[in-house]
Amino acid sequence: NAGVTQTPKFQVLKTGQSMTLQCAQDMNHNSMYWYRQDPGMGLRLIYYSASEGTTDKGEVPNGYNVSRLNKREFSLRLESAAPSQTSVYFCASSVPGHSNQPQHFGDGTRLSIL
Amino acid sequence: GQQVMQIPQYQHVQEGEDFTTYCNSSTTLSNIQWYKQRPGGHPVFLIQLVKSGEVKKQKRLTFQFGEAKKNSSLHITATQTTDVGTYFCAGPETSYDKVIFGPGTSLSVIP
Repeated sequence: NAGVTQTPKFQVLKTGQSMTLQCAQDMNHNSMYWYRQDPGMGLRLIYYSASEGTTDKGEVPNGYNVSRLNKREFSLRLESAAPSQTSVYFCASSVPGHSNQPQHFGDGTRLSIL
Repeated sequence: GQQVMQIPQYQHVQEGEDFTTYCNSSTTLSNIQWYKQRPGGHPVFLIQLVKSGEVKKQKRLTFQFGEAKKNSSLHITATQTTDVGTYFCAGPETSYDKVIFGPGTSLSVIP
């Protein structure tokens, strides 16, 4: 009954370092999303994947890359971390459809870039 | 581009008082969702409204979708400390696979 699992939960990086945030869901959802959350700015979409093998840019994609490894997994990579990327990152998944299905979120990754 | 706005940004209430947050979209929405995020937690889906003028209740929470389907509200009657958190509305973007989240209303309840 895990739902959406994100790893790691916390991470501190130095400017210029790279890292990959992992996300996996066990609900057989087709759509997966990566958001960042900053104080007072709500949730901003970084990238999303409507189905296995497809990815699309969201509102704030610069500085990030994603990989939809299979139906379960959707990873987010920071190639060269910058202090502006300090944020809380949430992965979410949903069943796609015209009725706009609810999104299920992971617990988040709290990332600090020094 | 499409925008979803929420007011107020913050609300502090005494326990037992009522609370309302308002959500407004720059475009007509086919539906609207509401989520709650407890401090330190992740957003959790509360409800979805689809029909013009629709009103749904969940215990002390009342959700309403405007007649023009461009605005929505969440009203909490007699707040409790368990209501503390940030409430987000979200509406579908032109692509049905994406939603746009409002900035959220952060509710604090003073015991």
